[in-house]
Amino acid sequence: GEDVEQSLFLSVREGDSSVINCTYTDSSSTYLYWYKQEPGAGLQLLTYIFSNMDMKQDQRLTVLLNKKDKHLSLRIADTQTGDSAIYFCAEAYSSASKIIFGSGTRLSIRP
Amino acid sequence: NAGVMQNPRHLVRRRGQEARLRCSPMKGHSHVYWYRQLPEEGLKFMVYLQKENIIDESGMPKERFSAEFPKEGPSILRIQQVVRGDSAAYFCASSPELAGENEQYFGPGTRLTVT
Repeated sequence: GEDVEQSLFLSVREGDSSVINCTYTDSSSTYLYWYKQEPGAGLQLLTYIFSNMDMKQDQRLTVLLNKKDKHLSLRIADTQTGDSAIYFCAEAYSSASKIIFGSGTRLSIRP
Repeated sequence: NAGVMQNPRHLVRRRGQEARLRCSPMKGHSHVYWYRQLPEEGLKFMVYLQKENIIDESGMPKERFSAEFPKEGPSILRIQQVVRGDSAAYFCASSPELAGENEQYFGPGTRLTVT
């Protein structure tokens, strides 16, 4: 089956690292994504990782994939107030298929 | 190169009316996807279209909903006889013909409110 799960809320202090976790069930997923949604806006693709990779780093963002446990995480270093948003974990089977989204993790930043 | 355009951005309909949501993909993109986001939830896939063809409609409700992507013009998501439960944000995404990395570019969404 297709299911992506993530915790609903995360609160971190400004300047700390944020780690958002996600689990998925479809072992045939090839593409794993992190999207960001700000209030009233559409989705912005932050980063993605192929299932044959363990890690991907892009500036302040680090994605870790544990394929055995079907666990994906997004680490945001030096979290800023502008990082406040909902972060969606998502998976897709192939390069032209539907994307399956989690319910989103709402990240809030404390001063 | 303009991004994915959706209109209207906000749409209010009374129960029983029809809602028409439009999506213009990015230039050069021939694949369109529609997703629905209910309040406080993630996006759920509805339908995937290429020009003049429906490729995957597994997420589309069997009744009242239809989608098209004609040879000319935008993709249309049509909801007949709307009910309160149809209130949601509807997002369109597009990708190019050879999307090797499956990057779907999302539009800003249409927020449908059924009163």
